[in-house]
Amino acid sequence: RKEVEQDPGPFNVPEGATVAFNCTYSNSASQSFFWYRQDCRKEPKLLMSVYSSGNEDGRFTAQLNRASQYISLLIRDSKLSDSATYLCVIEASGGSYIPTFGRGTSLIVHP
Amino acid sequence: EAGVVQSPRYKIIEKKQPVAFWCNPISGHNTLYWYRQNLGQGPELLIRYENEEAVDDSQLPKDRFSAERLKGVDSTLKIQPAELGDSAVYLCASSPRGRVFTEAFFGQGTRLTVV
Repeated sequence: RKEVEQDPGPFNVPEGATVAFNCTYSNSASQSFFWYRQDCRKEPKLLMSVYSSGNEDGRFTAQLNRASQYISLLIRDSKLSDSATYLCVIEASGGSYIPTFGRGTSLIVHP
Repeated sequence: EAGVVQSPRYKIIEKKQPVAFWCNPISGHNTLYWYRQNLGQGPELLIRYENEEAVDDSQLPKDRFSAERLKGVDSTLKIQPAELGDSAVYLCASSPRGRVFTEAFFGQGTRLTVV
């Protein structure tokens, strides 16, 4: 089993839709969780951190489920500009703190 | 403020040739990362520096890859000799705080094609 797994998609949704992605991780010692966004042929950029209590930033909501070992990203009222690949990043503690990326989930928002 | 600068942006070389990538991190950032990203995959960490010390290099293929960060600022990543499977985007990132990945900022990457 891979350390970090994501459904590659693509998720093809109309404007205004609500869409959610999950990212599962295998290392129960994982302590830090993030969502990054990567546009086509561009570098990844931090979208938001994921806190134990969950957090929201405008139309984006991130949640952590430690019992089931996954994080989620919810996007409400999708915009065309949300089209991108969403990468989860998990960083384990108690060792080398290597931040591990998932393969990314592709989102396509159409008119 | 200038971001992470990488060069070259693109490189095409024949297999068995050497190649080097250069990265200038954001001023004041002590932590520097080199990642490799294959098409359709997420970035894979190759090496992480805290100042000039390599603190995570377990995933660097040491038979052909080498890296250095002299004076704890700029860094170079070298491949010698290159193989067809090395074709990928090589990303450099920097962070102002050690062991806190959340604030990592990426450069635009070097797209390597080995033919």
